[in-house]
Amino acid sequence: NAGVTQTPKFQVLKTGQSMTLQCAQDMNHNSMYWYRQDPGMGLRLIYYSASEGTTDKGEVPNGYNVSRLNKREFSLRLESAAPSQTSVYFCASSESPSISSYEQYFGPGTRLTVT
Amino acid sequence: GQQVMQIPQYQHVQEGEDFTTYCNSSTTLSNIQWYKQRPGGHPVFLIQLVKSGEVKKQKRLTFQFGEAKKNSSLHITATQTTDVGTYFCGGFKTIFGAGTRLFVKA
Repeated sequence: NAGVTQTPKFQVLKTGQSMTLQCAQDMNHNSMYWYRQDPGMGLRLIYYSASEGTTDKGEVPNGYNVSRLNKREFSLRLESAAPSQTSVYFCASSESPSISSYEQYFGPGTRLTVT
Repeated sequence: GQQVMQIPQYQHVQEGEDFTTYCNSSTTLSNIQWYKQRPGGHPVFLIQLVKSGEVKKQKRLTFQFGEAKKNSSLHITATQTTDVGTYFCGGFKTIFGAGTRLFVKA
């Protein structure tokens, strides 16, 4: 039982390049999330998927797209990377929104640098 | 919009001293969660509070939810070096405070 896994762990991109961050969970959770974490800013929600087949924008969606490929996988794509997207990206998952517990399980993170 | 503010931003303590971080919301929360993130690590869920005035304990950690459900606190008694990290509160499910980073000097 690996929990939430993310690939890659580290990535360096040049401005304008594209890439996809992968996330998978093996806990049969319905909801999945992508956050970015910048120093002093805490965690900010980029996109989330309440259930398979649905995605919604969070607080900072500009410059990103997501795909909920199936119940297990939720990917985040940067179409044209910018230095402002240098950050640590965390994927998280939780049980159905209808359940009262909002405990989220986080992956190990992807450290992305855009030069 | 909905915001969750957390203070202090940093706290340096001597090992054995107590530590408290506070979380305040601009609007009433239905519940609040607390997470810990070790340096270089990822956030790990500690606890969820739901009821007005609720107090929960985990060994040396005491969590409180305010009567008006707009604020919460995490208190650590007699800190240890293993307590080092950043403590986040989370409200409205996906809105987190900026965190309080705890430094413990042995």
